[in-house]
This record gives sequence, C-alpha cells and structure tokens, in this order.
Amino acid sequence: DGGITQSPKYLFRKEGQNVTLSCEQNLNHDAMYWYRQDPGQGLRLIYYSQIVNDFQKGDIAEGYSVSREKKESFPLTVTSAQKNPTAFYLCASTLAGGQSYEQYFGPGTRLTVT
Amino acid sequence: GNSVTQMEGPVTLSEEAFLTINCTYTATGYPSLFWYVQYPGEGLQLLLKATKADDKGSNKGFEATYRKETTSFHLEKGSVQVSDSAVYFCALRYQTGANNLFFGTGTRLTVIP
Repeated sequence: DGGITQSPKYLFRKEGQNVTLSCEQNLNHDAMYWYRQDPGQGLRLIYYSQIVNDFQKGDIAEGYSVSREKKESFPLTVTSAQKNPTAFYLCASTLAGGQSYEQYFGPGTRLTVT
Repeated sequence: GNSVTQMEGPVTLSEEAFLTINCTYTATGYPSLFWYVQYPGEGLQLLLKATKADDKGSNKGFEATYRKETTSFHLEKGSVQVSDSAVYFCALRYQTGANNLFFGTGTRLTVIP
C-alpha cells in the first residue's frame, strides 16, 4: 500500500529540547511539505521541498529545520527556538510537475511540549 | 496575496439535513480550488477539486462549483449523515511551480442522529 507515514502519533518533550518528527512516503512523489495545525486555525506551511537536497521556507519556518537527503524522507526538527511548539504537525507530498495534482497527507504527529 | 475565507463553525445539523459551507478566495490569476476533509485524529483527505471557472467538483454526495464572478467555492451536500462529521477545509493552489496550498481555517461539522 502506498502512502505517507508519520511517527510517532503522539510525542511529548520537555521545553528546551530539540525533537525530530519523521515523515516517509513510498508514493515516489518529488515534493514534500510540513504543515502545522493549531485549534481554530487552518494549516500553515512550515517548509517544503521540491526535490532532493533542496528545500524552502514556508510561512512560519522560524524555530524549525528540515533536511531532504532522500526522496522518500523529509524529517522536521522542532528546535528549542520555537516559542510555541505544541501543535499537530502534518506532512504531505505531491507529484511535481503537471497540473492539479493533489497533496496526500500523513496521519499527523501531535507534539506536546511542557 | 492569496487567501481563503471560510465560514466559521462549528456547524451542527440533524441527519438528512442540507449542508452548505461557504468559501471565498482572493487570488490573482486562475487558482485551482480544493475541499479537504479531516476526520477525528487523522490527516487530511482530498474530498473534491475544481481547476477552472464553472467546473463542478463532486465526491461522496458533496459538490462545489468554482464561481469566478463571486470568487467562491461553496461546499454542499443534499443529505448529510452522521459519518460526515469532520472538519472541512477549503484550499487554493496558485498556479506556480511550488504547488503550495493556502488553507482556510476549517469548519467543524457535527451531524446528530
């Protein structure tokens, strides 16, 4: 079965610690995305990557970092510089090129920082 | 810039009621428009889409028509079911190479038996 996996589903960390969220896809998609979802707000784009070894900041990149060393993997690190890290994080992927292709989403990771 | 304004929720309906969730957008050019659905504790799934003016997207009894003259993409369903309870997001994809989506704030729908 093709899809996107995010692990773990729930993650707890102490304030001041960096934490890395996993995102893996076996859809052979070129582009991958990280979004943050907060209650009462839509999804906000953190980072995206169109191809391996390249990525761009989204609307709310401060306090986050990413890497794209492999096509199928796009891990997100929430650093201690992120002032309000508790949120639901969603990873997505899509084919690059062409028209009107949809973004496929993973099941999400709920991060709680105390 | 690009933005999506969505009807605020929550919305509570009885089973078999008619559903409308309003969505309007601001964009230059000719964006593609999407409705995504998020069931409790899950990621988002594409519900339907439309890529040009007057296109109608439809899926699982839901419909939305791309209205360029009113910059709208309202979601409708004639008869909702309890299983339709979820959060619905309207989204816009601007025609650039990045394929980035701009999301509305989401509307929570609860259908009661």
